[in-house]
Amino acid sequence: KAGVTQTPRYLIKTRGQQVTLSCSPISGHRSVSWYQQTPGQGLQFLFEYFSETQRNKGNFPGRFSGRQFSNSRSEMNVSTLELGDSALYLCASSLTDRAYNEQFFGPGTRLTVL
Amino acid sequence: DQQVKQNSPSLSVQEGRISILNCDYTNSMFDYFLWYKKYPAEGPTFLISISSIKDKNEDGRFTVFLNKSAKHLSLHIVPSQPGDSAVYFCAAVDSGGGADGLTFGKGTHLIIQP
Repeated sequence: KAGVTQTPRYLIKTRGQQVTLSCSPISGHRSVSWYQQTPGQGLQFLFEYFSETQRNKGNFPGRFSGRQFSNSRSEMNVSTLELGDSALYLCASSLTDRAYNEQFFGPGTRLTVL
Repeated sequence: DQQVKQNSPSLSVQEGRISILNCDYTNSMFDYFLWYKKYPAEGPTFLISISSIKDKNEDGRFTVFLNKSAKHLSLHIVPSQPGDSAVYFCAAVDSGGGADGLTFGKGTHLIIQP
C-alpha cells in the first residue's frame, strides 16, 4: 500500500506570496491532519479534516487554511507569507478521526520564505 | 506555554545500553500519550502509546512508563541499537473532546554510539 505523499517536497517563496501544499493520504484513510514543524516550536497541530469537514483546528492565524476533497486528498493554503512561516509542513492520515496511534505521516513539504 | 516538554534536546547512549527518554506534561486533561520516531527527511513514525488508565506498556525493546501524579512519562529502549539513532517526539492528546489534535514536545535527538 502506498504511503502518504506530499507535494511539492521543497518550495521557496517570498514574503507576501501565497502557497498551496498538497497531501494524498493512504488509500482508504479518511482523516488528514496537518502539522507545522519548526526548530523553535517543534511540531504544532494546524488542523484535521475528516470526510471533507474540518474537525479540529490548532492555534494558528486565519492565513492558514485547508480543505479536503471527496477522495480524501487535502490541501493547505498559507496566504500573505511571513518569514516565520518557513517550516516543514507534515500531513498525517488515518482511517478514522482521532485514531492517533494509527496516524501515518508523509515526508513533509519544506517551505522556505525569503 | 508548552504543554508537553522534553527537556533534553539530545542524548548520547552506548550501543547495547538502555536509553531513557523523558517527557513531562502540564495539561491534566491529556489521557493518551504517544512516542514518535523521526529520521531526517522522513515524517515521524509511530512507535508506542499508552493510555492514562495504564502505567506501563511494552512492545519489544520499547517500554513506556506513565506516572500520572507526576505528569511524567518515559520511553525506555533496551538494548539500544545504532538504528535507534533518531529524533524522538513525545505527544499527548485529550481523547475525550479536545480540539487541538496531538500536542508534541520539541523532541530529543538520540545518538547511539558504537
